[in-house]
Amino acid sequence: DSGVTQTPKHLITATGQRVTLRCSPRSGDLSVYWYQQSLDQGLQFLIQYYNGEERAKGNILERFSAQQFPDLHSELNLSSLELGDSALYFCASSPLGGRQETQYFGPGTRLLVL
Amino acid sequence: AQSVAQPEDQVNVAEGNPLTVKCTYSVSGNPYLFWYVQYPNRGLQFLLKYITGDNLVKGSYGFEAEFNKSQTSFHLKKPSALVSDSALYFCAVRDNSGAGSYQLTFGKGTKLSVIP
Repeated sequence: DSGVTQTPKHLITATGQRVTLRCSPRSGDLSVYWYQQSLDQGLQFLIQYYNGEERAKGNILERFSAQQFPDLHSELNLSSLELGDSALYFCASSPLGGRQETQYFGPGTRLLVL
Repeated sequence: AQSVAQPEDQVNVAEGNPLTVKCTYSVSGNPYLFWYVQYPNRGLQFLLKYITGDNLVKGSYGFEAEFNKSQTSFHLKKPSALVSDSALYFCAVRDNSGAGSYQLTFGKGTKLSVIP
């Protein structure tokens, strides 16, 4: 158990809908990362937050947004969902967001868009 | 742009034999290199990382990896494979230079099957 928690574990929704995925980092970690894992794209970095501020952005679609709250938990919002958004979404955390730090991953949220 | 290549989609090895999972990387600066393992329906678990110093890095569950700068490789190894090592293995790289990308870039993954 990495100490990173994600809810929900599974999510089934329809095209066009909006969902929110939630992540709680390890105790004491200030930085949160979001990743998407799909069969065709592999593991793709979406976005990183550090202490409430966006630090780095990867291949995140404009339909997707994220934020990190004062209590350091983070939410990933996915809107206008398409079939291709079906994937496993991981959250990870690290102490200060430094490049050499190990990122510890949560168990993921499996999203199925029908 | 930084990238990671895991040239083998699948590696099969007999239980008790040594195993190697290959990884090569490309970054503009110097690399920070990581190995993670993913079991079915689970998140990624950290195995080991290379930051600086000794080229041979030892990690969890008896795994080790050797950093080779000239060959831009970071192969994962274990002297004696266990059936329980069967999983999906990911190599990842991060550029340590200020000009490089902040993100952690993953390879496509290698499925390791250890045959009893």
